[in-house]
Amino acid sequence: GENVEQHPSTLSVQEGDSAVIKCTYSDSASNYFPWYKQELGKGPQLIIDIRSNVGEKKDQRIAVTLNKTAKHFSLHITETQPEDSAVYFCAASAFYGNNRLAFGKGNQVVVIP
Amino acid sequence: NAGVTQTPKFRVLKTGQSMTLLCAQDMNHEYMYWYRQDPGMGLRLIHYSVGEGTTAKGEVPDGYNVSRLKKQNFLLGLESAAPSQTSVYFCASRGHTTGIEQYFGPGTRLTVT
Repeated sequence: GENVEQHPSTLSVQEGDSAVIKCTYSDSASNYFPWYKQELGKGPQLIIDIRSNVGEKKDQRIAVTLNKTAKHFSLHITETQPEDSAVYFCAASAFYGNNRLAFGKGNQVVVIP
Repeated sequence: NAGVTQTPKFRVLKTGQSMTLLCAQDMNHEYMYWYRQDPGMGLRLIHYSVGEGTTAKGEVPDGYNVSRLKKQNFLLGLESAAPSQTSVYFCASRGHTTGIEQYFGPGTRLTVT
């Protein structure tokens, strides 16, 4: 099955700086890569996703890049703000059938004011 | 729309007791999923359903049973709780034609003593 790994496990950044989280996946059949943000005591919330037919997608201060050859994808957060502090999960799946997502173990992002 | 709701929010069980967690969604979604989240382990799929009356095993199904008698509800049962089932449980749902993203509930924190 699919195996997704995330690095680093914890990331501390100064407010206003950029944060980058990288994930790798193992199954070349995976073609859908979402990122979820989880705030303390809440369920994961989808913040951005990318499909394998594109290499980059942006939504305001958030962007995701995908390198299919190397089997890795990254989340980029620019101009970080204290409300960006959360746990971020990447996931991968094949865009068909039951859409079973394989999740990474999560990254704790701490934005220091 | 309430989205995905979970009942109860918290529960403490003694080893050997049984309980049922309820997930409800009001988005008319076909697919529903049960995950467990443990520290440092990310989200792991327990069981899922691709439609009313159907269920299937996920990554970590042992010790759990599920039922999907109504499209809007997905029940997760623990017949004989064990301390290893102490975790936070999340339900998610996804539409068949409305998009691939999974929407998560707020979670149930279960402690088995």
